[in-house]
Amino acid sequence: DTEVTQTPKHLVMGMTNKKSLKCEQHMGHRAMYWYKQKAKKPPELMFVYSYEKLSINESVPSRFSPECPNSSLLNLHLHALQPEDSALYLCASSQGLLARAQGGNEQFFGPGTRLTVL
Amino acid sequence: QKEVEQDPGPLSVPEGAIVSLNCTYSNSAFQYFMWYRQYSRKGPELLMYTYSSGNKEDGRFTAQVDKSSKYISLFIRDSQPSDSATYLCAMRAVTGNQFYFGTGTSLTVIP
Repeated sequence: DTEVTQTPKHLVMGMTNKKSLKCEQHMGHRAMYWYKQKAKKPPELMFVYSYEKLSINESVPSRFSPECPNSSLLNLHLHALQPEDSALYLCASSQGLLARAQGGNEQFFGPGTRLTVL
Repeated sequence: QKEVEQDPGPLSVPEGAIVSLNCTYSNSAFQYFMWYRQYSRKGPELLMYTYSSGNKEDGRFTAQVDKSSKYISLFIRDSQPSDSATYLCAMRAVTGNQFYFGTGTSLTVIP
């Protein structure tokens, strides 16, 4: 099973709302990622969790707040977003921090949550 | 200079053609190379994964890595309209858990 699931598929929110995006994987991966993707652009890294600890925060505004409750789950809490935050939000996972020789170093993506901020 | 360079296209080919997609990179520490296919408004789907230099084949897809030239390729044989998508290359080093992406190449296969 190489599946990463994300909910919801679509989300429309106002600038004063609070909402959360959820991501789950059951591949035993210990690194989980949030990316933001705008149309016709590659995924842009936001956060990386390694062994449930925040490993990388790419200077993301504080209106985005990640959380990793356990090794299978990753959340992204949203508050006071701006219309320019509208994008496809992708979750991904990989085996871990240190790559192994030859195998198991690839990254798997979920289907994404399409977020629209009004 | 970007870590990974990829021609964004768009690339348009007739059905049945052989497609060649390429990326170049600057960091000699990259050892693991991936190709993703992304349909419009969907998440990227992992197509091919290769380690270090060499070729890997999976059905109609062949991935090549030339570390001496810092150049990777994806070949699609007998291209189908269903191959119409954006193709992203990605790579990572041995240490660190960050993946570096090309900008993606938009491919259209015309029936």
